[in-house]
Amino acid sequence: QKEVEQDPGPLSVPEGAIVSLNCTYSNSAFQYFMWYRQYSRKGPELLMYTYSSGNKEDGRFTAQVDKSSKYISLFIRDSQPSDSATYLCAMSVTDYKLSFGAGTTVTVRA
Amino acid sequence: SAVISQKPSRDICQRGTSLTIQCQVDSQVTMMFWYRQQPGQSLTLIATANQGSEATYESGFVIDKFPISRPNLTFSTLTVSNLSPEDSSIYLCSVERPGLSGNTIYFGEGSWLTVV
Repeated sequence: QKEVEQDPGPLSVPEGAIVSLNCTYSNSAFQYFMWYRQYSRKGPELLMYTYSSGNKEDGRFTAQVDKSSKYISLFIRDSQPSDSATYLCAMSVTDYKLSFGAGTTVTVRA
Repeated sequence: SAVISQKPSRDICQRGTSLTIQCQVDSQVTMMFWYRQQPGQSLTLIATANQGSEATYESGFVIDKFPISRPNLTFSTLTVSNLSPEDSSIYLCSVERPGLSGNTIYFGEGSWLTVV
C-alpha cells in the first residue's frame, strides 16, 4: 500500500464547474499538508499549505484536512481553462520531507 | 516564494554517460532537496543537501549513482551517473522557505532528462 493515494484521473469538467480532488494517506504522523499545481513541462507550484486539521480558503481554492479519516481535499470553484494542470497532494511529518500522491490530471473545457 | 533556477532545462544523453544538473537559488537557504519524477509517477525525494556536509540519501538512492555537491548556501549540483534509460525523468531542485503557517517547499522548473 502506498503511503499517499491519489486518483490519477483524468478529470474533465466544463468551465465554471467545481473541481473536487482528494487524497488518502496511511501515516497518522503526517501533520503538514500541501497541494501543488504542475503545468505541463513545468515544476510544481505550491497552491495551498495546511497544518493539522481544518479548512483553508484562498480565493477560488479551498483545502480541507480530516486527520481522523486520513483524508484531504482540494476544491476549485468557478474553474477556468487555465486551471487545467496536474494537481499533486503532498504531506509530511516534519515540514520538509514530503510524500507525494501520484497527481490528478484536470482538464477544464471552455 | 523562491526563485530557483535549474540548468539544463532538458537534455538527451547517451547511456553510460553522466549528466550534472545545477540549481541556483535567489537567496541563502540551509537545506536544498533533490527530487525525481519518473514518467507518469509522483515525486520521490532523492537526497537532502546541507552546505558543508555530506548529502543525506533516501532509501533506494546511493551516492555513487547520484553524487551531490553543495559548495555554498545558494547552489547545489546533482549528477546522475552511468545513465540508463530508466534514469529518464524530471529532476527537481527544491528549497524550504518560511511561510505564514510554517516552512514550505518550493520547486524549480525541473531538468528533463531523456537517456537514449
